[in-house]
Amino acid sequence: GENVEQHPSTLSVQEGDSAVIKCTYSDSASNYFPWYKQELGKRPQLIIDIRSNVGEKKDQRIAVTLNKTAKHFSLHITETQPEDSAVYFCPSKRNNDMRFGAGTRLTVKP
Amino acid sequence: EPEVTQTPSHQVTQMGQEVILRCVPISNHLYFYWYRQILGQKVEFLVSFYNNEISEKSEIFDDQFSVERPDGSNFTLKIRSTKLEDSAMYFCASTGTSRNTEAFFGQGTRLTVV
Repeated sequence: GENVEQHPSTLSVQEGDSAVIKCTYSDSASNYFPWYKQELGKRPQLIIDIRSNVGEKKDQRIAVTLNKTAKHFSLHITETQPEDSAVYFCPSKRNNDMRFGAGTRLTVKP
Repeated sequence: EPEVTQTPSHQVTQMGQEVILRCVPISNHLYFYWYRQILGQKVEFLVSFYNNEISEKSEIFDDQFSVERPDGSNFTLKIRSTKLEDSAMYFCASTGTSRNTEAFFGQGTRLTVV
């Protein structure tokens, strides 16, 4: 299986500021790196993903960067809005099945 | 846009009763999953299912749990004799032709055992 460590566990930012969440993985053979968002009381949903042949991917205010050498990937949210408040996950894999950790609880203060 | 649907949205059951949670994954997806989330806690993997059999199950998925794909569209989770600690939100998910791709989650079934 693959171990993934996610930091920070909680993050509080002012509306309009940027937020960065980082995940470090152990398996150098990993080739798919998704980010999921779970708003309170709702289902997890994929917000962005990246494959190992790409270093960065952007979708409007959200971007993911991958550093294969250092084995970490990061979620960047710019111009944060209150609706970005949620728990964000970079799931690990065990036997190819996705496992969720505690995630990062992002709070955007208006 | 295709989506995973789950029924019921909320189920209340007496301790010791059997419950069946139902899911309709996205039609051309091949991999199916059940997760649960106890209130205020993380999303926990229960089981994965592929090619009409269980691929992997967690330590939570004991003999009280079973899954079935009774026809070409439904994917069910059965809890044989519910316990109070089974109270949780249960999410069904599916992925397409690979597990290394987006997982689509249903809206969940909130199970309350009283």
